[in-house]
Amino acid sequence: GAGVSQTPSNKVTEKGKYVELRCDPISGHTALYWYRQSLGQGPEFLIYFQGTGAADDSGLPNDRFFAVRPEGSVSTLKIQRTERGDSAVYLCASSLRPDYEQYFGPGTRLTVT
Amino acid sequence: AQRVTQPEKLLSVFKGAPVELKCNYSYSGSPELFWYVQYSRQRLQLLLRHISRESIKGFTADLNKGETSFHLKKPFAQEEDSAMYYCALRTDSWGKLQFGAGTQVVVTP
Repeated sequence: GAGVSQTPSNKVTEKGKYVELRCDPISGHTALYWYRQSLGQGPEFLIYFQGTGAADDSGLPNDRFFAVRPEGSVSTLKIQRTERGDSAVYLCASSLRPDYEQYFGPGTRLTVT
Repeated sequence: AQRVTQPEKLLSVFKGAPVELKCNYSYSGSPELFWYVQYSRQRLQLLLRHISRESIKGFTADLNKGETSFHLKKPFAQEEDSAMYYCALRTDSWGKLQFGAGTQVVVTP
């Protein structure tokens, strides 16, 4: 079946602009994770959803970052007033249950100029 | 604080030679450790997890709680093993993973 998909694959935006990154998890997966991967680093946890609710948002760096999953499926990561330091690959992963294998999407490469 | 350390950024080995990727972690509780792999132009995928105690693609990893290590080993490297490898730690029931910085493995013929 289809894996986790993310759109767009690439996003270039100007400093100060607002961006939305979308994640379509594998159908039926209740757990959804967002990670951020900066150049030369491993993925860094941002936020975890169980169903529609954010069960753990301890990884969000500041209040410019926000994520939703209104119907328990698709999730959107929203970044306000983007800064050059936000440039990274944003990864989404989903799993059937929190303790099951996480399946990763291809990522969205965000570049803030 | 929890931490995952992969001391080697790059590991270059010849085909047929053994390969060992080091991973050390810091966590005082009962950890769950994973190895993820990313092949060129592919997405990140699970290679193995310590609780399954299985060998995947010839790779094995043993959790050593005394040394807080989870090194990945393969006795005979193949060219298709060339990839980026990440060690990851899970410490809670939510499933969130903490990754190391990764080790790039290059297997040359």
